Amino acid sequence: GNSVTQMEGPVTLSEEAFLTINCTYTATGYPSLFWYVQYPGEGLQLLLKATKADDKGSNKGFEATYRKETTSFHLEKGSVQVSDSAVYFCALLEGTPLVFGKGTRLSVIA
Amino acid sequence: SAVISQKPSRDICQRGTSLTIQCQVDSQVTMMFWYRQQPGQSLTLIATANQGSEATYESGFVIDKFPISRPNLTFSTLTVSNMSPEDSSIYLCSVRQGVSYGYTFGSGTRLTVV
Repeated sequence: GNSVTQMEGPVTLSEEAFLTINCTYTATGYPSLFWYVQYPGEGLQLLLKATKADDKGSNKGFEATYRKETTSFHLEKGSVQVSDSAVYFCALLEGTPLVFGKGTRLSVIA
Repeated sequence: SAVISQKPSRDICQRGTSLTIQCQVDSQVTMMFWYRQQPGQSLTLIATANQGSEATYESGFVIDKFPISRPNLTFSTLTVSNMSPEDSSIYLCSVRQGVSYGYTFGSGTRLTVV
């Protein structure tokens, strides 16, 4: 079945550091890919998405490119802020339901 | 995108009791989904709620434990029955909007069973 694998956390970075959170997926066809963010004490928010190969999703300085050849959708940000501290979930949609990775907790320290 | 109101936002319940969580959407949607997020874990789909038919439950979840109602296209409830401490989790409702869009989530219900 479909699955999503994320890098283990937690990840701790200093403010303005470069962020990469790895995500790879397994799917039978051509899924849509998403990154969701969960800030402390809150529900999930869609951060960005990509619906086909080579698409780049971007939002709030975060980017991820749908790489079909490597079945990856890594999340990147050039300069993180303390306010980016949250749990990040990679997710896949092919039909239903939405399939999540285990999440990666990011802590950014000033 | 749709706006989802979920309540209660949190509750502390005694074991053996039941809690009903409500999910209200500001637009009509065909499918609503209920997820569970256990402490420090990812999200697991409990069931899919379709209006006018019984919910479809995922493996490991049963209707007697998690009865769901879907009386119309904007509203659903999830009941957590006969609760035990293992039911302590965040419960989230979600809707899907369009083929290529992800899901929109409510803010979640943080349940603690003591």
